[in-house]
Amino acid sequence: AQSVTQPDIHITVSEGASLELRCNYSYGATPYLFWYVQSPGQGLQLLLKYFSGDTLVQGIKGFEAEFKRSQSSFNLRKPSVHWSDAAEYFCAVGLSPAQKLVFGQGTRLTINP
Amino acid sequence: KAGVTQTPRYLIKTRGQQVTLSCSPISGHRSVSWYQQTPGQGLQFLFEYFSETQRNKGNFPGRFSGRQFSNSRSEMNVSTLELGDSALYLCASRFTDSTDTQYFGPGTRLTVL
Repeated sequence: AQSVTQPDIHITVSEGASLELRCNYSYGATPYLFWYVQSPGQGLQLLLKYFSGDTLVQGIKGFEAEFKRSQSSFNLRKPSVHWSDAAEYFCAVGLSPAQKLVFGQGTRLTINP
Repeated sequence: KAGVTQTPRYLIKTRGQQVTLSCSPISGHRSVSWYQQTPGQGLQFLFEYFSETQRNKGNFPGRFSGRQFSNSRSEMNVSTLELGDSALYLCASRFTDSTDTQYFGPGTRLTVL
C-alpha cells in the first residue's frame, strides 16, 4: 500500500532563514505529488504539485519542491521564511488525479522572530 | 468564485447520536471528497462522490456514509457516534475526474461527548 512519510513532526526556524521540509513516499509507480499548508482552524491550501516534467516545481508564497525519483522524495523548500509561514505542512500522494490522496502526518513549522 | 463551503463549522454531539455534515463545492465542480483529520490518525480519506455516485471509499465502518445531490452538493452522515469520531471533517472539490487539484473547505469540527 502506498504511504507517505514526513520524518519531522516539528521544525523551528528563525525568520529569514531557509527551510526544507522532507517528504518520502512508497509507491509502485511515480505518483502525483502535492504539498498543502494548513493554518490553525483552517482547511488545506495547495502550495504546489508535481505530475510530470521538470522535477523542480514552483508554488505559491515563494515555495518550491524538488522531485527525486531515485530517493522517492519530494522535499519542500523556501529560501527565506516569514512569520506568516508558521503553519502545518502536509505532503500528499495520489495514484492519479482522480484517486484519493494519501497524506503524510504533517510537519508543524514554528518561526522564531 | 466562491470556495468550498462547509456547514456547520462546529458541532457538539453525544455518543450514540447521529450527525449530518454538508459541503457545497466550488461552482462547476462535480467531484466531492471527504477526509477525516484527527491528531492520532492524521488525514484519512473517507469517500469521493462524482455525479451523484460514490466512486471511491476509504477504510471506515459503515456508520460513515455520504451522498451527493444533482447540484453537486454533498452530505456525509455518521450514525451511532463514538468518542473517536471527534475530528475535523474536511471536504474537497474538483472539476471532473480529469482535473488534478482538490480544493479544500475550512472543515467542520465535530466533538463527541
